[in-house]
Amino acid sequence: DADVTQTPRNRITKTGKRIMLECSQTKGHDRMYWYRQDPGLGLQLIYYSFDVKDINKGEISDGYSVSRQAQAKFSLSLESAIPNQTALYFCATSDSGLEADTQYFGPGTRLTVL
Amino acid sequence: GIQVEQSPPDLILQEGANSTLRCNFSDSVNNLQWFHQNPWGQLINLFYIPSGTKQNGRLSATTVATERYSLLYISSSQTTDSGVYFCAVEQKSNYQLIWGAGTKLIIKP
Repeated sequence: DADVTQTPRNRITKTGKRIMLECSQTKGHDRMYWYRQDPGLGLQLIYYSFDVKDINKGEISDGYSVSRQAQAKFSLSLESAIPNQTALYFCATSDSGLEADTQYFGPGTRLTVL
Repeated sequence: GIQVEQSPPDLILQEGANSTLRCNFSDSVNNLQWFHQNPWGQLINLFYIPSGTKQNGRLSATTVATERYSLLYISSSQTTDSGVYFCAVEQKSNYQLIWGAGTKLIIKP
């Protein structure tokens, strides 16, 4: 079984709809991240969480919100989706030990906003 | 914020060739990581390499932190090496990873 899972894997929605992307991990890591990737570009950090009570904004948090329901679960919400949020979204985790910041990624969610 | 530049942007090679990918960054960083994104979109961490040299099979990486660059070497390329190679650096100011735009590698049989 995959260590980091994301649901759904693909989603098509309409402008103005509320969308939630979910991430679960079995690696036992404290730290979790949400990124978006636009075509031909690297990843940009949306939000990150170093433990259940810690939530931090990344480079591009506007239009997004997150919830860390448990150590293993980190959800990303788009309250009112817009077309320029069409992208590939990745969840990642990392540990807090040696080489703590080595990040492990889920398979991604491809989101299309029409 | 910190700038991360990767070169070349695209690289097409025949199977069996060797290649060197470069990552330059504009300020001192906590660490640097190399990732491979396969044609299906999956991201795999290749190296965590804030300084020095590491090797893993046909891949190796060297980071010279004082000169703010890192190199990824791929020897005896295989078609499965195709994809996009990213470097990402962790900013000292806020511990966030900043990503380069990637090098797209195509290995032809």
